[in-house]
Amino acid sequence: EDQVTQSPEALRLQEGESSSLNCSYTVSGLRGLFWYRQDPGKGPEFLFTLYSAGEEKEKERLKATLTKKESFLHITAPKPEDSATYLCAVRVGAQKLVFGQGTRLTINP
Amino acid sequence: SQTIHQWPATLVQPVGSPLSLECTVEGTSNPNLYWYRQAAGRGLQLLFYSVGIGQISSEVPQNLSASRPQDRQFILSSKKLLLSDSGFYLCAWSVDGLPVSGNTIYFGEGSWLTVV
Repeated sequence: EDQVTQSPEALRLQEGESSSLNCSYTVSGLRGLFWYRQDPGKGPEFLFTLYSAGEEKEKERLKATLTKKESFLHITAPKPEDSATYLCAVRVGAQKLVFGQGTRLTINP
Repeated sequence: SQTIHQWPATLVQPVGSPLSLECTVEGTSNPNLYWYRQAAGRGLQLLFYSVGIGQISSEVPQNLSASRPQDRQFILSSKKLLLSDSGFYLCAWSVDGLPVSGNTIYFGEGSWLTVV
């Protein structure tokens, strides 16, 4: 069964304290891994797509990496506005994404 | 640029009443369209997707149905709502391209449904 697991469920950091979020997956054939940011009461906002192991993508304070079994979302020197739930998803078919439960990130000033 | 509109944003409906959530996409042609549900404390679950007018694929058996009467319009419906239908409903779109792995799915702002 295709499965995506994110850890930790929740993470609280001080402003400027760097850390990483984990997304591990078991799929029959990875066809892309996606990271989204979701603010409370809003739809998910697309951040990155990673296609193959070893690939990295960066956007401002965020950097996503991919291995054969997991992906990491590294956040460097975060600010309070980076507080959100971060969702990981893998494509398992032409039209289907399987999502993890998300990591709720809180950055305290 | 492409935009997606979803309405209503918030809805409180009694058990047994009908439901209609509507979604339209602007700025693109022949998009793939999706309905997802996000229940409290759970991940996003794909309910329906459509690759063209009148073409609907259902992922999960349930009390809901979907229709695509126009190229950029997607409607989620129910004849009689259940308490378990409460949740956050998200419409989304993507455009086919190569590689398939790069076909990003973009989400609307969502509709909160509370069945009472």
